[in-house]
Amino acid sequence: DADVTQTPRNRITKTGKRIMLECSQTKGHDRMYWYRQDPGLGLRLIYYSFDVKDINKGEISDGYSVSRQAQAKFSLSLESAIPNQTALYFCATSDYDEQYFGPGTRLTVT
Amino acid sequence: AQSVTQPDIHITVSEGASLELRCNYSYGATPYLFWYVQSPGQGLQLLLKYFSGDTLVQGIKGFEAEFKRSQSSFNLRKPSVHWSDAAEYFCAVALGTSYGKLTFGQGTILTVHP
Repeated sequence: DADVTQTPRNRITKTGKRIMLECSQTKGHDRMYWYRQDPGLGLRLIYYSFDVKDINKGEISDGYSVSRQAQAKFSLSLESAIPNQTALYFCATSDYDEQYFGPGTRLTVT
Repeated sequence: AQSVTQPDIHITVSEGASLELRCNYSYGATPYLFWYVQSPGQGLQLLLKYFSGDTLVQGIKGFEAEFKRSQSSFNLRKPSVHWSDAAEYFCAVALGTSYGKLTFGQGTILTVHP
């Protein structure tokens, strides 16, 4: 089984809809992250959490919110989706040595 | 501002040829340095990392990278490319005290011709 799982893997939604992307990890790590990937821009950090009670904004947090439900679960929400949030979203978890990435969620906002 | 630059958006090489992907960073101190690979439709896989010590680091799949402090560079190399190396490659950096906050370069797409 994969160490980091993301659901859904693909999602098409309409402008103004609320959507939640979910991430679970079995690595037992305290640290979790959400990134978005856009062509030509690499990955940019949206939010990160160093433990269940610690949530921090990343480089591009506007329009997003997160919830850390447990050590193993970290969800990303788009309260009112807009087309420029169309991207590939990655969840990751880390110890002090390496980040482990999920397979990604491809989100399209029409 | 802190930044990571991969000057080459797209590189094409022939199978069996050597490869060098460039990465330059702009940080006040020596950061932790990483190279990741993303195969089509896949997540990111760590190829190698540099924290300290020997400036030439070996990674998986026959890749190596050399840290050059004077040039603020961490270039990825492979002596002989295989068709399966076709993918997108990302350089990333993190400050040591906040390891988890990775800053990524824009990525380099590698195409391998038979």
